[in-house]
Amino acid sequence: KNQVEQSPQSLIILEGKNCTLQCNYTVSPFSNLRWYKQDTGRGPVSLTIMTFSENTKSNGRYTATLDADTKQSSLHITASQLSDSASYICVVSDRGSTLGRLYFGRGTQLTVWP
Amino acid sequence: EADIYQTPRYLVIGTGKKITLECSQTMGHDKMYWYQQDPGMELHLIHYSYGVNSTEKGDLSSESTVSRIRTEHFPLTLESARPSHTSQYLCASSEGSGVGGYTFGSGTRLTVV
Repeated sequence: KNQVEQSPQSLIILEGKNCTLQCNYTVSPFSNLRWYKQDTGRGPVSLTIMTFSENTKSNGRYTATLDADTKQSSLHITASQLSDSASYICVVSDRGSTLGRLYFGRGTQLTVWP
Repeated sequence: EADIYQTPRYLVIGTGKKITLECSQTMGHDKMYWYQQDPGMELHLIHYSYGVNSTEKGDLSSESTVSRIRTEHFPLTLESARPSHTSQYLCASSEGSGVGGYTFGSGTRLTVV
C-alpha cells in the first residue's frame, strides 16, 4: 500500500528559530515529491517540487531535500516567522498511472510563537 | 492572484437540500480534481476529470456528482445534503503531465445541519 508518513504531527517553535519537518514514503514507482503549505481553512499552496534526480530545492526560507534511495524528504524552515504557522503537507506522485496519482500525508501542524 | 476559484467559501445548509459547489480555473488545465478533507486529516480524492465530458470517481466513495461541460468549469453537486457531508471540499487542476503545476482552490467549508 502506498503511504506517506509525516513527523512530527505537530510542532511549536519560537519566532526566529529554525525547524525541520520529515516525510517518509513508500510510493512506487516514484515520480515527484511536493511540499505544500496550508493555512487554516484555505487550500494548499505549493512550496517546492522535486523529481527523482533532484536532492534539494529552495524557495526563500524553505529548503526541501529528497533522498530517493531511502525514500525520505525533509522541509527545513529558516528564521521562522509568525506567518509560517500552518500545516505543511508532503505529497508524493507516482508514475504508474495516467492520472499521476497523488498520495497525501496528514501534514505537520507548525505553530510559531512570538 | 488565484487562478482557480471556488465558491462559496463557506456554506451552512439544512439536511435534504440540494447544493452545488462551484470551481473554475483560468489556466486551461485539462485535468481537474475534487478532494475532501476533514480537520487534521489528509486529502482524499473523490472525483477527477481528464477533460470535457470526462469524469471519474476517486478513491473515497462520495454521494456527490460532478460534470465537465467546459474545460474551465468543474462543479460538484450533492442532491440531498446530510450531516455526514460536513467537510472541506477542495478543487484542484493540473497540467497534462501532472508533474508541473498542480494548483488548489481555497476550498469550500460545508456544514450540513
